[in-house]
Amino acid sequence: GQNIDQPTEMTATEGAIVQINCTYQTSGFNGLFWYQQHAGEAPTFLSYNVLDGLEEKGRFSSFLSRSKGYSYLLLKELQMKDSASYLCAVSNQAGTALIFGKGTTLSVSS
Amino acid sequence: DAGVIQSPRHEVTEMGQEVTLRCKPISGHNSLFWYRQTMMRGLELLIYFNNNVPIDDSGMPEDRFSAKMPNASFSTLKIQPSEPRDSAVYFCASSLPLDSPQETQYFGPGTRLLVL
Repeated sequence: GQNIDQPTEMTATEGAIVQINCTYQTSGFNGLFWYQQHAGEAPTFLSYNVLDGLEEKGRFSSFLSRSKGYSYLLLKELQMKDSASYLCAVSNQAGTALIFGKGTTLSVSS
Repeated sequence: DAGVIQSPRHEVTEMGQEVTLRCKPISGHNSLFWYRQTMMRGLELLIYFNNNVPIDDSGMPEDRFSAKMPNASFSTLKIQPSEPRDSAVYFCASSLPLDSPQETQYFGPGTRLLVL
């Protein structure tokens, strides 16, 4: 079956660093995505990994280990506006839709 | 450049009524997806189209749900008859052809449906 696991909730303080983990078990693998979703809004694309390693994009970085079925999203220099839900999604085969995890709600406090 | 457009943004209806949700994908995108999001189940894929053809509708809950894509710039999701358990946020998303290296999906603002 297809399964994507990520923690339900996390908390952190402004200026800190937080790592959101995602593990997946899918019948195939064609890439992993991270999306950000603010309350009451639509998910927006953050990052994409298809090869092992770290992809850095400003304050956000995403890591992938295909052999371990594992990814994380790293958020640095946290800001209040980073409070949101972060969704991990896997493409298990080219030409098919993404499979989304249930999301991790991150609360950033001052 | 306009993103994915959905209408209505909010819908309140009574059980048994027909509900039609509408979506206009980003121009040039060949794939269109309908999702449903609830607190309990998260973001669930209902159906997706590639070049206006339904590819996978295994996520459609039951016969009360139907989706069409008559042309490249318009899709509908219909629920008839609606039930209280259909209350959720329904998102439409579009992407470039699924065989492109990066199938990034762009989401519309969603339709918040409440069935009383």
